[in-house]
Amino acid sequence: QQQVKQSPQSLIVQKGGISIINCAYENTAFDYFPWYQQFPGKGPALLIAIRPDVSEKKEGRFTISFNKSAKQFSLHIMDSQPGDSATYFCAASISGFKTIFGAGTRLFVKA
Amino acid sequence: GAGVSQTPSNKVTEKGKYVELRCDPISGHTALYWYRQSLGQGPEFLIYFQGTGAADDSGLPNDRFFAVRPEGSVSTLKIQRTERGDSAVYLCASSLTAHTGELFFGEGSRLTVL
Repeated sequence: QQQVKQSPQSLIVQKGGISIINCAYENTAFDYFPWYQQFPGKGPALLIAIRPDVSEKKEGRFTISFNKSAKQFSLHIMDSQPGDSATYFCAASISGFKTIFGAGTRLFVKA
Repeated sequence: GAGVSQTPSNKVTEKGKYVELRCDPISGHTALYWYRQSLGQGPEFLIYFQGTGAADDSGLPNDRFFAVRPEGSVSTLKIQRTERGDSAVYLCASSLTAHTGELFFGEGSRLTVL
């Protein structure tokens, strides 16, 4: 079952631009929404996470926007850099248990 | 070691053979997870352990897959009678507790079934 739907599948952004990746979820019991970054040949690594009691969380160039009523959340990467080129996964879990991942977005930042 | 360690990094086997994949979690992490990642897809949940017991094995695709964590640290994922469709990267992750949320992943074991 795909409980977390992610779009787009791939994204090309110019250096310095804004990268936006969207996710939608179905299970209203989810209460933890992380984003993971994965480079080729490596395991995913936590980038930033949010809980549904806030609508936005910012860490450096990375911001999560969360819309509880729409059951949607998004990742914004400001001032995108070539080093940000990677695959990004949104995810969701209930109290940290059994994290469910989206299908991923392959981001390429053109220099 | 500082991170999650998985061995082997690559395993090529023939259809019908038995395979074991090992995961050594971060020291002190009580929760351990196995995921499977097919090419171009997100990690797919298989099983997670809290301590020695399998707290949720609902993601194991069938009874050819089995995992153990006998002493609450190292875990082994066992696949019997491998099929070509089992080819994927098997990722292990650990977290401080099951409630912590943040997963620390290893680099995975790439399994190829010929």
